[in-house]
Amino acid sequence: AQTVTQSQPEMSVQEAETVTLSCTYDTSESNYYLFWYKQPPSRQMILVIRQEAYKQQNATENRFSVNFQKAAKSFSLKISDSQLGDTAMYFCAFIPNSGNTPLVFGKGTRLSVIA
Amino acid sequence: GAGVSQSPSNKVTEKGKDVELRCDPISGHTALYWYRQSLGQGLEFLIYFQGNSAPDKSGLPSDRFSAERTGGSVSTLTIQRTQQEDSAVYLCASSYVSGGYGYTFGSGTRLTVV
Repeated sequence: AQTVTQSQPEMSVQEAETVTLSCTYDTSESNYYLFWYKQPPSRQMILVIRQEAYKQQNATENRFSVNFQKAAKSFSLKISDSQLGDTAMYFCAFIPNSGNTPLVFGKGTRLSVIA
Repeated sequence: GAGVSQSPSNKVTEKGKDVELRCDPISGHTALYWYRQSLGQGLEFLIYFQGNSAPDKSGLPSDRFSAERTGGSVSTLTIQRTQQEDSAVYLCASSYVSGGYGYTFGSGTRLTVV
């Protein structure tokens, strides 16, 4: 069974600074996808960034980038130039390429951006 | 529709009553998922539907929970004889076949059992 671990229940960062959220996962699959989702107080889950495991290049989306280390099964999220609107729960998630199992989520990291 | 729609947004029910939660997925998405999120916790998988295949019910916590999907579109999650521990946010999501591009989530239904 696949598992996703987020070891930081809470983090805070000053506005305009950079913060990195950690995620590790366990799987025997060789081909899969990884995601980071953001959940603000509105509780709407928003897809932040997606990584295909067979691509070595780290995904980036504007101020959001990942550090994907396949051998270490690590998938951290870096937020640059943090903004107050980045305050939210962040969830790391995994799905195998076969698509026969649902997304598996970590327990989340609560990020607070401080003015 | 443009997004995943869930109703009601909030539901307060008395212990022992039955409740129905509705999810209307994005048109064209063949897969539909239900998750439960207890206060401050992660997402717990409940059930998912993929096209005309039999649903994967492996995450349902008890036989009080059931779900159906009519016509490959709208889904209803039913909780019978609700208990206080059923209080949570119930999130629905939909995706294309494999989910490799991620899921689109609805805003959820917050269920409170009193």
